[in-house]
Amino acid sequence: GAVVSQHPSRVICKSGTSVKIECRSLDFQATTMFWYRQFPKQSLMLMATSNEGSKATYEQGVEKDKFLINHASLTLSTLTVTSAHPEDSSFYICSSRGAGDTQYFGPGTRLTVL
Amino acid sequence: AQSVSQHNHHVILSEAASLELGCNYSYGGTVNLFWYVQYPGQHLQLLLKYFSGDPLVKGIKGFEAEFIKSKFSFNLRKPSVQWSDTAEYFCAASGTYKYIFGTGTRLKVLA
Repeated sequence: GAVVSQHPSRVICKSGTSVKIECRSLDFQATTMFWYRQFPKQSLMLMATSNEGSKATYEQGVEKDKFLINHASLTLSTLTVTSAHPEDSSFYICSSRGAGDTQYFGPGTRLTVL
Repeated sequence: AQSVSQHNHHVILSEAASLELGCNYSYGGTVNLFWYVQYPGQHLQLLLKYFSGDPLVKGIKGFEAEFIKSKFSFNLRKPSVQWSDTAEYFCAASGTYKYIFGTGTRLKVLA
């Protein structure tokens, strides 16, 4: 299956700072990528759909000014958590939509905001 | 509204026991159904998927799922589980609307 990488895998930051998470589709071009948030012992919550060359589509309740998404190329999407607060601490997962509507997931990024 | 329901949140089985995890969906239009698995410390990966055709779908590692349209169900089964099947399992639906995941089922297999 397709390989999706995320960087960094873990990040700890101070409250008020911004954090950028990269999601790369390593072996195929992804016009659509997704960003999810996973709370402990809960399911994936879709935050936004990232479309190459256009603005991301955010789910209801997700602040687009706080979670900036950029999909500048067919292999890279970035999520920037701006002015992070402790409640933003979570596990963030990206995925690429591949052939046959299958999603290929990255390994996730654990964000801890102090 | 579109939704995916997984009835079992936690399942504990002994090795060699049979497994069935329930998944029901509510989704308008054409629907594609998936089961994803997340092993401890690893990322989500596709277990199997159904788009059309034979409603009994076989996936990796001996798993299978049956699409029953009249019941809006896509239950996951395995005749004999192994300790290595300990993981979290997510049912998902896609199609006309966005991808929707169920809340997941944590399976623990006792050796």
